[in-house]
Amino acid sequence: DVKVTQSSRYLVKRTGEKVFLECVQDMDHENMFWYRQDPGLGLRLIYFSYDVKMKEKGDIPEGYSVSREKKERFSLILESASTNQTSMYLCASSRTGRTSTDTQYFGPGTRLTVL
Amino acid sequence: AQKVTQAQTEISVVEKEDVTLDCVYETRDTTYYLFWYKQPPSGELVFLIRRNSFDEQNEISGRYSWNFQKSTSSFNFTITASQVVDSAVYFCALSGLNSGGYNKLIFGAGTRLAVHP
Repeated sequence: DVKVTQSSRYLVKRTGEKVFLECVQDMDHENMFWYRQDPGLGLRLIYFSYDVKMKEKGDIPEGYSVSREKKERFSLILESASTNQTSMYLCASSRTGRTSTDTQYFGPGTRLTVL
Repeated sequence: AQKVTQAQTEISVVEKEDVTLDCVYETRDTTYYLFWYKQPPSGELVFLIRRNSFDEQNEISGRYSWNFQKSTSSFNFTITASQVVDSAVYFCALSGLNSGGYNKLIFGAGTRLAVHP
């Protein structure tokens, strides 16, 4: 079974703090993704990575950055958290390559509240 | 434009009723993929099914069935004899070349299903 884990289920931070969300997958997948989920909007892609140190912007990258130093780990960084970044953050991974059609498998999510 | 519409925001049924969740999509692609995911209260999205645009056969898996109709751009999901454990938010998603690549999913807003005993 594919296993995608996220470092925290719940996180509370203050405005202006630097926030790190960590995601780890154990299936040697090449692709990893970060989404945010908001009521009525579904999931929206923030960034994805198709290889170590490779990344591409998704639909809503503003205010976020990412880091992928190892294949199994993909970090989402909020350089200066703001209240409008309060959301559920979901990490996903899929097996192969930048143009992959493989199914994405998701982690349990991190519910971030920025006060 | 690539778009997925789940018009039903919330559905409430009593156990053992059948329920259909609607999904309508828009795409310019001739090759594309459609997905359904389930998100139970625990939060993790669980993959249910993936179909490609060339395979219009309906799919049945236990109490779950999917009806893919290209003519109406719909990929509807039916749960037969619903159970309380089916209570969740269900997402329909699309990927295709014009959504930014096959590995980028376009999600609908989700349908919250509540099954009452």
